[in-house]
Amino acid sequence: AQTVTQSQPEMSVQEAETVTLSCTYDTSESDYYLFWYKQPPSRQMILVIRQEAYKQQNATENRFSVNFQKAAKSFSLKISDSQLGDAAMYFCAYRSVREDMRFGAGTRLTVKP
Amino acid sequence: NAGVTQTPKFQVLKTGQSMTLQCAQDMNHEYMSWYRQDPGMGLRLIHYSVGAGITDQGEVPNGYNVSRSTTEDFPLRLLSAAPSQTSVYFCASSYSFVGTGANVLTFGAGSRLTVL
Repeated sequence: AQTVTQSQPEMSVQEAETVTLSCTYDTSESDYYLFWYKQPPSRQMILVIRQEAYKQQNATENRFSVNFQKAAKSFSLKISDSQLGDAAMYFCAYRSVREDMRFGAGTRLTVKP
Repeated sequence: NAGVTQTPKFQVLKTGQSMTLQCAQDMNHEYMSWYRQDPGMGLRLIHYSVGAGITDQGEVPNGYNVSRSTTEDFPLRLLSAAPSQTSVYFCASSYSFVGTGANVLTFGAGSRLTVL
């Protein structure tokens, strides 16, 4: 089974600064999707950003961007100009075109004012 | 547009009791799934369905039962609750299981279940 690894259980960042969350995955598929989901204290799972494996260009959504290294099977999330509202649990996820979504264990991000 | 609706949001059970977590979506999604979330383990797939009348097991199916009689509804049943089933449960759906329609899951708000 494909696995997703988030090696940072907790991270902290000062407000207005930049933080990068790491994610690696294991797969033998060539066609797949990668995601970052945010889970605030409300418990709701919110899609932050997604990346199609066939696209070489890194996805960007406002202050959120990814560094997708397909050969290294790495998919990190960069949050620029961090805000207090970014404090949450962040999950990296993987899904191939024929399989269910798999999640990493999560990284808890704290934003310090 | 309600999206994915889960009920109840909170539930406390005694060991051996049974209950059903309800999940309904109004987006005409073919694919629906149930995950459980435990600290340090992320979300793990319990059961999933690729359409009405079709269900299959995920990573952690033991102790849970599902059925899919309509496109909209995908209930999760605990037949005899155990303390190990204390968790937060999420229902999620996507337009399809394969292809480009499969790539984004929409989640319900979650249900916190405590088994004493």
